[in-house]
Amino acid sequence: DQQVKQNSPSLSVQEGRISILNCDYTNSMFDYFLWYKKYPAEGPTFLISISSIKDKNEDGRFTVFLNKSAKHLSLHIVPSQPGDSAVYFCAASANFGNEKLTFGTGTRLTIIP
Amino acid sequence: NAGVTQTPKFRILKIGQSMTLQCTQDMNHNYMYWYRQDPGMGLKLIYYSVGAGITDKGEVPNGYNVSRSTTEDFPLRLELAAPSQTSVYFCASSLAGSRSYEQYFGPGTRLTVT
Repeated sequence: DQQVKQNSPSLSVQEGRISILNCDYTNSMFDYFLWYKKYPAEGPTFLISISSIKDKNEDGRFTVFLNKSAKHLSLHIVPSQPGDSAVYFCAASANFGNEKLTFGTGTRLTIIP
Repeated sequence: NAGVTQTPKFRILKIGQSMTLQCTQDMNHNYMYWYRQDPGMGLKLIYYSVGAGITDKGEVPNGYNVSRSTTEDFPLRLELAAPSQTSVYFCASSLAGSRSYEQYFGPGTRLTVT
């Protein structure tokens, strides 16, 4: 039972254009959502997050949008840069006091120069 | 700060062997986690700990054991290794009560069981 789904295994975007990565979830108890970025042979690193009380959070080139009614979130990267090429994981947490995260399967983003 | 460190980086085990994956963090984080990542899959939680002396099972605990005797260390033990345990293992930590849910990850251990 995949509670967090990233239906696009890969995405290619031209440098300078917008990259949009999508994530869907099924568990209505999730109240906090995060995006992680992972380069080969490294551990994931935190990118940006959003609480369920918000519908948008912005940090520089990265913006996360949350649509609670659709149980959908997206990560926008604009403008896309070659260094953004990585695997992006969506993760979600419910406030049960242990801060466990449930991860999606990831989307490999390739930025074409 | 070294952050989260994991040893070894790579290991090849024969079926039935045992080993311990080491994880240490120097950020004084209360919470620590072990994940495995199989090819094309997301990270699945094996075990987690909310403090020294307290551990609990995650989504895929079978075949593994953990202990947490100090805040800094959270070793993962594999007993009787099986080919299904071939994976990349990540250790992570987070600050309890921060409500940011941000976890800091180590670089991973790539384990092959043959």
